[in-house]
Amino acid sequence: KAGVTQTPRYLIKTRGQQVTLSCSPISGHRSVSWYQQTPGQGLQFLFEYFSETQRNKGNFPGRFSGRQFSNSRSEMNVSTLELGDSALYLCASSSSGSEIETQYFGPGTRLLVL
Amino acid sequence: AQSVAQPEDQVNVAEGNPLTVKCTYSVSGNPYLFWYVQYPNRGLQFLLKYITGDNLVKGSYGFEAEFNKSQTSFHLKKPSALVSDSALYFCAVRGARGSTLGRLYFGRGTQLTVWP
Repeated sequence: KAGVTQTPRYLIKTRGQQVTLSCSPISGHRSVSWYQQTPGQGLQFLFEYFSETQRNKGNFPGRFSGRQFSNSRSEMNVSTLELGDSALYLCASSSSGSEIETQYFGPGTRLLVL
Repeated sequence: AQSVAQPEDQVNVAEGNPLTVKCTYSVSGNPYLFWYVQYPNRGLQFLLKYITGDNLVKGSYGFEAEFNKSQTSFHLKKPSALVSDSALYFCAVRGARGSTLGRLYFGRGTQLTVWP
């Protein structure tokens, strides 16, 4: 099976712009979670989607949003970018999102905000 | 509330020696624990997990982890380290119900360096 894929891999934006990141889960997986990784804050949970519904959300401002499509692919959007949004954004997929399942991660999208 | 602590930012070990990367946890409910490894400019790679059963869990690339309920620990181990094991290691605990569903709580990470 192909792994989790994320596009684009690298992105440079300027403050105030918006950005959309894409994640394709492992075939058959319906749960997609997003994380932000920074040197200062470590790995922080953004949100989780299952069957096109957001089931869980981390402590991020409303500028961060996401959605999931019927084929389980997911996108996350960040509006009005700030310098502090520079980070590695990781998505992970699992079959149903249950607590005993392994989450498998993609390679990430590295976002640089100038 | 779920949380994980990795008390060492850095672990250095000589090639061929055993290695241990420490992790302690705090959970409400059953602990579902995971170890991931991250190589530079890469995503997280799953190593192993503890759900229930045997306290010694075997995983990928010769790694294993020991679950200790009384000490609330889940230390990662390998009998003989390789230079290629040098990477950033994350311990994580899974949220179980309600608002924590689908969420992993990560430690800060431990940078492992194996010297030739």
